[in-house]
Amino acid sequence: RKEVEQDPGPFNVPEGATVAFNCTYSNSASQSFFWYRQDCRKEPKLLMSVYSSGNEDGRFTAQLNRASQYISLLIRDSKLSDSATYLCVGLEGDSNYQLIWGAGTKLIIKP
Amino acid sequence: EAGVTQSPTHLIKTRGQQVTLRCSPISGHTSVYWYQQALGLGLQFLLWYDEGEERNRGNFPPRFSGRQFPNYSSELNVNALELEDSALYLCASSLSGGANIQYFGAGTRLSVL
Repeated sequence: RKEVEQDPGPFNVPEGATVAFNCTYSNSASQSFFWYRQDCRKEPKLLMSVYSSGNEDGRFTAQLNRASQYISLLIRDSKLSDSATYLCVGLEGDSNYQLIWGAGTKLIIKP
Repeated sequence: EAGVTQSPTHLIKTRGQQVTLRCSPISGHTSVYWYQQALGLGLQFLLWYDEGEERNRGNFPPRFSGRQFPNYSSELNVNALELEDSALYLCASSLSGGANIQYFGAGTRLSVL
């Protein structure tokens, strides 16, 4: 099983809608996660960190479900500029932790 | 404050040649990571350097190698280039340790003909 798994999409969503996607992880000892955003042919950029209590930043909400080992990203009132690939990042390793990257979920917001 | 910088931005090589990519981390960051991203695919971890030492290596052949200098900048070397090495090579830096937030450079786009 892959360490971090994401639905590759694409998710085609009308502008103004709410969209949510999940990311599952296999390392139950992982303490922190991140969501990054990557625009086409650009570098990934940190969107938000996800700790045990979850995180909210404007229209974006990330939550952690330890029992089911997944994290979610919710985008409210989606904008055309939200179109991008969203990368879920967890941790792997027993002691020498290192970030492990999901393959990304592609989101397309349509007018 | 300057972010992660990579050079060159674009590179065209032919099969069998060798290439060196360079990365300067954010000031204060001692960890540098290298990733390969082929067109339309996810990030593939290549190498992680911290405090001048290689901490981990991804599932790539030995012709992919690198090093980190005392000023924490880093080089990625690829020998005997193959067509499938064509990709965006991304460098990221973080504070010491692998669990910290990584900040990326804009990447070097390598085309192997």
